[in-house]
Amino acid sequence: EDKVVQSPLSLVVHEGDTVTLNCSYEVTNFRSLLWYKQEKKAPTFLFMLTSSGIEKKSGRLSSILDKKELFSILNITATQTGDSAVYLCAVGGPGNQFYFGTGTSLTVIP
Amino acid sequence: GAVVSQHPSRVICKSGTSVKIECRSLDFQATTMFWYRQFPKQSLMLMATSNEGSKATYEQGVEKDKFLINHASLTLSTLTVTSAHPEDSSFYICSARDRKGGGGQETQYFGPGTRLLVL
Repeated sequence: EDKVVQSPLSLVVHEGDTVTLNCSYEVTNFRSLLWYKQEKKAPTFLFMLTSSGIEKKSGRLSSILDKKELFSILNITATQTGDSAVYLCAVGGPGNQFYFGTGTSLTVIP
Repeated sequence: GAVVSQHPSRVICKSGTSVKIECRSLDFQATTMFWYRQFPKQSLMLMATSNEGSKATYEQGVEKDKFLINHASLTLSTLTVTSAHPEDSSFYICSARDRKGGGGQETQYFGPGTRLLVL
C-alpha cells in the first residue's frame, strides 16, 4: 500500500532555532516529491524534488531527497514566528495520484 | 508563479441544497485538476481527478452522484455538492497541474480553498 509518513507530527521551537522535518514514503513508480506550507488556507508550494542528492534552497528553507532510502527532509534555519504552519509532504505516484502525509505542525515561539 | 483561484471562499447553505465551487487556473492551462477535502487538523484527501473534456475519476468511497465535477475548459473545473448535508461541511481545495518543460515534471498549485458549512 502506498503511503507517506511525516515526522514529527508536531514541533515547538524558539525563534532562531533550526528545524528538520522528515518525510518517508513507500510509493510505487515514484515521480516526484513536493513540499507545501499550509497556514490557514490552502497549501502553498515550496519545493519539488525529483533527483536524489540535489539540495533545493529558498532563503532559509532547503530540502533534499534520498531515493535510495525513500525519504526527504525539509530544513528551516533561523526560524521566525512566520514559519509557524503545517508542512505537508506529497509524493507523486502513477498516473495523477499524489499521496499526502499527515503533515508536521510547526510552532515557533518568540 | 502559477495562480489558481477558487470561488466562493466561504459558503453557508441549508441542508438539501446544492453548492457549486469553481476552480480556475489564471495564468496557465491545466489539463488536469484535482479536488480535495480537508477536515480540521487532518491532511488533504483526494476526492477526484478532473481531466479537461472527459469524465472525472473518483477515489474509492467518494460518491460521484453527490460530488459532480465538470472540467469544461483548460482553465475551469467545477465541483457541485448536491443535496448537501451537515456531514459535507468541510474545507474543499482544488489544485491544478502545470506541466513544465520536458521530462514529464509537473507541479501542483493549490487554490485558496472553499469553506463549506451546511446547516
